[in-house]
Amino acid sequence: KQEVTQIPAALSVPEGENLVLNCSFTDSAIYNLQWFRQDPGKGLTSLLLIQSSQREQTSGRLNASLDKSSGRSTLYIAASQPGDSATYLCVTAGGYQKVTFGIGTKLQVIP
Amino acid sequence: DGGITQSPKYLFRKEGQNVTLSCEQNLNHDAMYWYRQDPGQGLRLIYYSQIVNDFQKGDIAEGYSVSREKKESFPLTVTSAQKNPTAFYLCASSNGQGAFNTEAFFGQGTRLTVV
Repeated sequence: KQEVTQIPAALSVPEGENLVLNCSFTDSAIYNLQWFRQDPGKGLTSLLLIQSSQREQTSGRLNASLDKSSGRSTLYIAASQPGDSATYLCVTAGGYQKVTFGIGTKLQVIP
Repeated sequence: DGGITQSPKYLFRKEGQNVTLSCEQNLNHDAMYWYRQDPGQGLRLIYYSQIVNDFQKGDIAEGYSVSREKKESFPLTVTSAQKNPTAFYLCASSNGQGAFNTEAFFGQGTRLTVV
């Protein structure tokens, strides 16, 4: 059974810092990995989707990488802003019964 | 604007009562999903539907039921058989072959509380 682990569980940084969120997974038989953002009491918003054949995806200040062989993905946030404060979730997909969510990294960016 | 709408935002259930959570999407997505989110745990799959008139149990389907009579709608009923229903419920949809094969969209959630 797939397990998705996100480290750290919580992170507090001053505004303007570049930061890295880590995600590891145990089963490399996935066809994609997505990073989501969740604000308190809200739904999830997709940030980046990396197909299994890809190594990375970029959107604005966000860059996500995928290394299937080592079971790792990282989400890089450049020049962090207070509006980036949220919980970031890593999700692997390998089939309808095989969509696995991490518990998330709760990020606080301090002005 | 295309998206997923969940209602109500907050729902209170009395002991022994069935309640229904609504989920509607106008994204023309084939696949829809219901997840349950509890503190300190990853989202867990309750039911999913790949096409109209078809749905499958997820990991924690006991005490829940769904229907998919229209492509746009995937309501979830929490029955009295669900002994611990207090949680945050999220509906999602996606397109393409396979679950979450394309960007997945989520509703804003329904917080269900037993009173």
